[in-house]
This record gives sequence, structure tokens and C-alpha cells, in this order.
Amino acid sequence: EAGVTQFPSHSVIEKGQTVTLRCDPISGHDNLYWYRRVMGKEIKFLLHFVKESKQDESGMPNNRFLAERTGGTYSTLKVQPAELEDSGVYFCASSQDWGGGLTEAFFGQGTRLTVV
Amino acid sequence: QKEVEQDPGPLSVPEGAIVSLNCTYSNSAFQYFMWYRQYSRKGPELLMYTYSSGNKEDGRFTAQVDKSSKYISLFIRDSQPSDSATYLCAIAGGTSYGKLTFGQGTILTVHP
Repeated sequence: EAGVTQFPSHSVIEKGQTVTLRCDPISGHDNLYWYRRVMGKEIKFLLHFVKESKQDESGMPNNRFLAERTGGTYSTLKVQPAELEDSGVYFCASSQDWGGGLTEAFFGQGTRLTVV
Repeated sequence: QKEVEQDPGPLSVPEGAIVSLNCTYSNSAFQYFMWYRQYSRKGPELLMYTYSSGNKEDGRFTAQVDKSSKYISLFIRDSQPSDSATYLCAIAGGTSYGKLTFGQGTILTVHP
């Protein structure tokens, strides 16, 4: 079974440009999460999809970030326009529906974004 | 104040040593306590999780949770060079079960 897939694995863009990150969750996983790790800091939650709906987007830093999940399958995270402080590693994770308890979240390998 | 505090290390031990990794947290509403292991250039992978207080053992790994002091621990017995990685504590529960709150991670190196 394929795991969570993210691409690109690495992206270098100039300040002011637009970048779109993509995540393909494990098939059948309704829950999809985006996290980010800025250098020297902890991994921080950005948002949570249940199927195609945003369940919790409390971690999104500002309106330059837009996340979508088309048809409840793959998800994209667009940063427009990118700023220097957006540099970091963006992780996607997916999990099955919990039905009242916590289920394991499987992480992708991350996309390393560098804004210059 | 961070919700989860974890000493980033780095921590270097000889092969065979017992390793103790710790985190403290501030929100008593959290109910799930996890340890993730992350190898270089990879995503975090779940190592162990416990619900509420108590101990959980899995092979050479033991996770402990003390909710009264808001303290969680991971012990690694007979550490191996293959255990060298970053270990992240994470907590969940409260108002949002799916949202994980991570510690900064401890970089562990086990040298032969």
C-alpha cells in the first residue's frame, strides 16, 4: 500500500512568487492534515480536512495560504505571494476516520520550501 | 509559554545505553500522548502512543505518562545505532482529536 506522497520534495522560489504543494493521502483516509516546521521550531499544525471539508484551519498563518482538497482525495496548499518567513518543511499527514478515538496519522516525507 | 516543551538536545549515547527522553505540557485537557521518530529527510513515524496516564511497553521502548505532573517520557533500552533519529513527543485530544501539538524534538545519536 502506498503511503502519503508529497511533491515536490524541494522547491526554491523567489519572494513574491507563487508555489503550490501537493499531497496524496493514503487511499481511503478521510482525514488529511497539513503541518509546517520552520527551522529551529517545532512542527506546527496548519489545518485539517475531513473529506473535502475544512474541519479546523486555526493554524493557517494568514490569507496568503490557501488549502484545497478536491473531491476529498488529494490536497494542495498554495502560498501566494510567498515571503521569506514561509521557508520551512511542509508535512502532510492522513488518517482514517476516528469514530470517537484517535487513529494513527501517517506522514509524508515533506516538501522543503525555500523562499529567497 | 509553549504547549509542549521538549529539550532539543542533541543527545549522544554509546550503544547499549538506556535513553530517557522527556516532555512537559501545559494543557490538562490533552488525552493522547505520542512519540514519533523521524529519520533525516523523512516524515515522522509513530512509535508509540498512550491514552491517559500509565505505562506502555513495546519491545525496547517504554512510554510513560504522568498526567498529574503533565510529564511524558520515552525510555529506550539497549539502544542501537539504528535508533539514531529525532524523537518528537506529540499530544492530542481536548477540543480537536486530530490536531497534534508537537514538542521541538530531541536529536539522538547512538554511537557504536
